[in-house]
Amino acid sequence: ILNVEQSPQSLHVQEGDSTNFTCSFPSSNFYALHWYRWETAKSPEALFVMTLNGDEKKKGRISATLNTKEGYSYLYIKGSQPEDSATYLCAFMDSSYKLIFGSGTRLLVRP
Amino acid sequence: GAVVSQHPSRVICKSGTSVKIECRSLDFQATTMFWYRQFPKQSLMLMATSNEGSKATYEQGVEKDKFLINHASLTLSTLTVTSAHPEDSSFYICSADTGTDNQPQHFGDGTRLSIL
Repeated sequence: ILNVEQSPQSLHVQEGDSTNFTCSFPSSNFYALHWYRWETAKSPEALFVMTLNGDEKKKGRISATLNTKEGYSYLYIKGSQPEDSATYLCAFMDSSYKLIFGSGTRLLVRP
Repeated sequence: GAVVSQHPSRVICKSGTSVKIECRSLDFQATTMFWYRQFPKQSLMLMATSNEGSKATYEQGVEKDKFLINHASLTLSTLTVTSAHPEDSSFYICSADTGTDNQPQHFGDGTRLSIL
């Protein structure tokens, strides 16, 4: 059974703080790693699709890194804002092209 | 771009009712659509993968006679929960794939199904 773990489960930070969370996934048969941002009552929004070991991607204040050899990815948010409050999901894709999701990290940014 | 519409967003119905959930790609053609289910405090679990014009592929443990999937066109897939019972109450969400390598899936807003 493929397992994707995210930590922490939830995180409360103050506006302006920088934060990061982790996604760990199987290191074998890797095809891609997806990150999504999911706000309450909305659909999950794609942040990044990462495929190469050592990849670093950035979108505004959010960035992500990928280590496929050891099976982890970090998501960083610089200078968190209240609008960053959401659940951040990572999903592992192997050669079957199916996504295996983690349980998510719930981020709450206090003004 | 890449908008997926899922309808209805919420259903409350009696045990034994069949419920149909629609998933439409509004501005692109979806070669593949996916149906997920989420139990409280758990991750999204893939139920089935559907390709236009062919039978859906179900994940292990998902009853294909209980969860009927039809993918009649490149922009519409439907999930019918047949003779729903309280244990089928859950959050169901669809996503669509453009078929291009290394692109994300595009999700609907999900359907909260409550069976009384």
